[in-house]
Amino acid sequence: AQSVTQLDSQVPVFEEAPVELRCNYSSSVSVYLFWYVQYPNQGLQLLLKYLSGSTLVKGINGFEAEFNKSQTSFHLRKPSVHISDTAEYFCAVSERGGSEKLVFGKGTKLTVNP
Amino acid sequence: DARVTQTPRHKVTEMGQEVTMRCQPILGHNTVFWYRQTMMQGLELLAYFRNRAPLDDSGMPKDRFSAEMPDATLATLKIQPSEPRDSAVYFCASGFQTGPQETQYFGPGTRLLVL
Repeated sequence: AQSVTQLDSQVPVFEEAPVELRCNYSSSVSVYLFWYVQYPNQGLQLLLKYLSGSTLVKGINGFEAEFNKSQTSFHLRKPSVHISDTAEYFCAVSERGGSEKLVFGKGTKLTVNP
Repeated sequence: DARVTQTPRHKVTEMGQEVTMRCQPILGHNTVFWYRQTMMQGLELLAYFRNRAPLDDSGMPKDRFSAEMPDATLATLKIQPSEPRDSAVYFCASGFQTGPQETQYFGPGTRLLVL
């Protein structure tokens, strides 16, 4: 079975500052990795995903993430955040070659302050 | 702009009542997922279907929850009888498997409060 740990439940930053949201996973098999964003009172939206190939994945809204197999991590980064990036961010994992079931982390609430 | 729709958006009911939540997946999508989100447990997969057939409902309490797809444009999640611990936001997501891992598109959710 897979599990996901998002190390920070809340991350406050100032506008135009860089941000990193941390995600570590545990799995006995190879995995696919995802980041989703949830704006207030909305459903989740896919930011980016790692399936194979380059370990640096670029997503929407200027976000990127890097898959590190040895550290079992998939941290999300953005070099300069905007007020509109305030949302909750979820890391998720699914089993490569297995079912499409996503296992989500508990989420990180990113608050961007002016 | 194709979207997953869910009804109702909000539901307040009393313990013991039946609750039915509906989801209309994006046209052409063949996979539907039901998730529950709570503060304590986070996001949990309850069940999912492909081509209207249930593939996995291991996350769903069988004694009170049931999920069905009467047709390709409608998925339902029922709770009977409802209990206060069922209070949560229920999300439906749909996708179309074109490769090793389909992208899941989430609806806006049904916020359920059981008193």
